[in-house]
Amino acid sequence: DIQMTQSPSTLSASVRDRVTITCRASQSISSWLAWYQQKPGKAPKLLIYRASTLESGVPSRFSGDGSGTEFTLTISSLQPDDFATYYCQQYDTFPMYTFGQGTKLEIK
Amino acid sequence: EVQLVESGGGLVQPGGSLRLSCAASSFTFSSYWMSWVRQAPGKGLEWVANIKQDGSEKSYVDSVKGRFTISRDNAKNSLYLQMNSLRAEDTAVYYCARVRTEYFDYWGQGTLVTVSS
Repeated sequence: DIQMTQSPSTLSASVRDRVTITCRASQSISSWLAWYQQKPGKAPKLLIYRASTLESGVPSRFSGDGSGTEFTLTISSLQPDDFATYYCQQYDTFPMYTFGQGTKLEIK
Repeated sequence: EVQLVESGGGLVQPGGSLRLSCAASSFTFSSYWMSWVRQAPGKGLEWVANIKQDGSEKSYVDSVKGRFTISRDNAKNSLYLQMNSLRAEDTAVYYCARVRTEYFDYWGQGTLVTVSS
């Protein structure tokens, strides 16, 4: 099974900060990675797929990078609406999947 | 707009059964793989099961194999999850999600399943 490890688990930042979340796969997944944003009590929302392709309607301050086993999600200038929990998901093993454990982005 | 609406959650005793439903609208349901994903209270996301467009292929996470069954009725635009032999660790919000190529592009609002005596 492919394990996905996100770091950090919690990140404290301020509005207008640039932040980066890392997701590491236990083996190569090429670019078969998606990122989701989840707010409390809500369903996850797709942000990025194929490691770096921005979903339609997602602000351009979000970007994804990486391939193989190491991936990053960067928010270039944090906005108040961005404080949420972020999950990576590998789909190299489709139709089976693994999520990372999540990174909670908190207001400093 | 694409809508996925789950129902059927509730309180059930350990060892009991529950059937979840997901009603889909505003897209051609029969053209998409569909999934169930769950989230235990205060925990992360866990993929549970997948089903192919015509129901001919199904996949499950190891922890539910032999206990849960995913199915669909394309005529009714509906996805189901039959859950048997429920355990306390199955307590979670269960989401249905649409699979676009291989990742999830739309999610329902979720339905809470609580397994407790």
